Amino acid sequence: AQTVTQSQPEMSVQEAETVTLSCTYDTSESDYYLFWYKQPPSRQMILVIRQEAYKQQNATENRFSVNFQKAAKSFSLKISDSQLGDAAMYFCAYMSGGSNYKLTFGKGTLLTVNP
Amino acid sequence: NAGVTQTPKFRILKIGQSMTLQCAQDMNHNYMYWYRQDPGMGLKLIYYSVGAGITDKGEVPNGYNVSRSTTEDFPLRLELAAPSQTSVYFCASEAGPNQPQHFGDGTRLSIL
Repeated sequence: AQTVTQSQPEMSVQEAETVTLSCTYDTSESDYYLFWYKQPPSRQMILVIRQEAYKQQNATENRFSVNFQKAAKSFSLKISDSQLGDAAMYFCAYMSGGSNYKLTFGKGTLLTVNP
Repeated sequence: NAGVTQTPKFRILKIGQSMTLQCAQDMNHNYMYWYRQDPGMGLKLIYYSVGAGITDKGEVPNGYNVSRSTTEDFPLRLELAAPSQTSVYFCASEAGPNQPQHFGDGTRLSIL
């Protein structure tokens, strides 16, 4: 079974600075997808970024980018120019390719943004 | 732009009571999911459905039942509520395999 590990229960960053959230995963599959979801205090789950394992190029979405290291099974999220609205719980998630539709989540990292 | 709608948002149940958590999506997605999120944890999959009339168990299905009679609706039923089912429940839908999942706002359920 796949597992997703987020080793940082909490992180903090100063407004306008850059922060990196770590995620590692364990799988024997070659075809899979990785996601970062954001959960603000409103509790809503919001997709931040998505990475296909077969793509070597790291995904980017405005101020959010990932460092995908397939051999190391690492998938970190970098938030540049941090804003107060970025404060939230961030979850890393894994999905098998093909017909396995299930998302496996890590335990999350609580990000605080200091003004 | 309703997306995924969950009702109710909050509910308190007594041990042994039953209830249905409602989930509806208006995006014509075939794939739908129910998750639970316990304090300090990520989401765990309870049940999922790949289309009307088709459902399957996830990681933590015990104590729950689902049905999928239409593409839009995917209700989750608790038959005999137990304190261990106190959690926040999320419904999600997905356009197709390996696509991002769209989540509802969650239902906070307490069983006393």
